[in-house]
Amino acid sequence: SSELTQDPTVSVALGQTVRITCQGDSLRNYYANWYQQKLGQAPILVMYGRNNRPSGIPDRFSGSSSGNTASLTITGAQAEDEADYYCNSRDSSGNHWVFGGGTKLTVL
Amino acid sequence: EVQLVESGGGLVQPGGSLRLSCAASGFTVSSNYMSWVRQAPGKGLEWVSVIYAGGDTYYTDSVKGRFTISRDNSKNTLYLQMNSLRAEDTAVYYCASGIVVSALKYWGQGTLVTVSS
Repeated sequence: SSELTQDPTVSVALGQTVRITCQGDSLRNYYANWYQQKLGQAPILVMYGRNNRPSGIPDRFSGSSSGNTASLTITGAQAEDEADYYCNSRDSSGNHWVFGGGTKLTVL
Repeated sequence: EVQLVESGGGLVQPGGSLRLSCAASGFTVSSNYMSWVRQAPGKGLEWVSVIYAGGDTYYTDSVKGRFTISRDNSKNTLYLQMNSLRAEDTAVYYCASGIVVSALKYWGQGTLVTVSS
């Protein structure tokens, strides 16, 4: 399968913990990467590989993976974390890439 | 500092062609993989194409045979030649790159392509 599936919407209370998931067969063989995108802006890489944060990304962001599911966890969500989040990875062939449909995170 | 600057977007009729450019600074296009990602209005991200440092190229099925990714090492610039454009190709096109394969750390600001009569 070349698809990655994400929940369309997720909400979290300010300061609480939220997990955003990404499911797909290719995730059994390849790590997922995670992007944050705010309205009108280019995406920003917030997590890649097993659990790697690019420089400048707050440590409240963490990643994990099990079986065909990858997760992005935000521990102590802040108002500025409200955004769309996308996962991506390689597909099962390894040559093509694929993005999940995106999750709109609302911080209440 | 790495910078990617796209250009070449605009309004084109169905069946027409456009060539997008992505000028890079702060790193070498030929030494890294370079990718195009698009986003239709109000929709999610869609991977379009990648060219690896070794020159191998890959495309999403919907553009295969119509789009061609290439680079000019002397100009440190990435291109996307888009032919036989369709309404469904309307999107903001981003060029993007990184160090770890598929982990796109560097993004341009995007260029809008509108296919309409």
